[in-house]
Amino acid sequence: QKEVEQNSGPLSVPEGAIASLNCTYSDRGSQSFFWYRQYSGKSPELIMFIYSNGDKEDGRFTAQLNKASQYVSLLIRDSQPSDSATYLCAVKDSNYQLIWGAGTKLIIKP
Amino acid sequence: EAGVVQSPRYKIIEKKQPVAFWCNPISGHNTLYWYLQNLGQGPELLIRYENEEAVDDSQLPKDRFSAERLKGVDSTLKIQPAELGDSAVYLCASSLVQDTQYFGPGTRLTVL
Repeated sequence: QKEVEQNSGPLSVPEGAIASLNCTYSDRGSQSFFWYRQYSGKSPELIMFIYSNGDKEDGRFTAQLNKASQYVSLLIRDSQPSDSATYLCAVKDSNYQLIWGAGTKLIIKP
Repeated sequence: EAGVVQSPRYKIIEKKQPVAFWCNPISGHNTLYWYLQNLGQGPELLIRYENEEAVDDSQLPKDRFSAERLKGVDSTLKIQPAELGDSAVYLCASSLVQDTQYFGPGTRLTVL
């Protein structure tokens, strides 16, 4: 059973600080990795995707991938109250199936 | 560019009644997905279409759920009869082949 694991949280971070969200996956042959944000009562929206080892930056967001350790993380710099949401990690495995984590609830405290 | 459109947004029915959800994907996206999402969990794939063909329906409870994607564009997901445990959000997503998925707003189903 291929799995994607996330800490359910909630993760509480002060406004202006860095929020760090982590995700581990079981299928070593996984190809691509996605972070989605989901506000309460809304559908998931794509924030970032990453395919290669290392860091990928987009504005205040940085995705980090380490295939050897089978983890992917999302850093949010200068956290804002509007970043409060559930963050879903999704991993496309070696069969091109998208496996979803259960999400981490992030709370940014003003 | 219009996003994925779903209707209805909310549906309340009594158990044993039928219900249907409709999805119109992003123009040009040949892959369409139906997911179920329970509170506090990630989306669970029900069925994936490549054009008109259902290429992955292994998680679809076929005794009561059915889906179709006529002409490879719009899709309908049906439940008949609905059970209390079917209460959830039903999400439709679309993508180009093997590419990033984009979600519609979802249909929140409540079965009483």
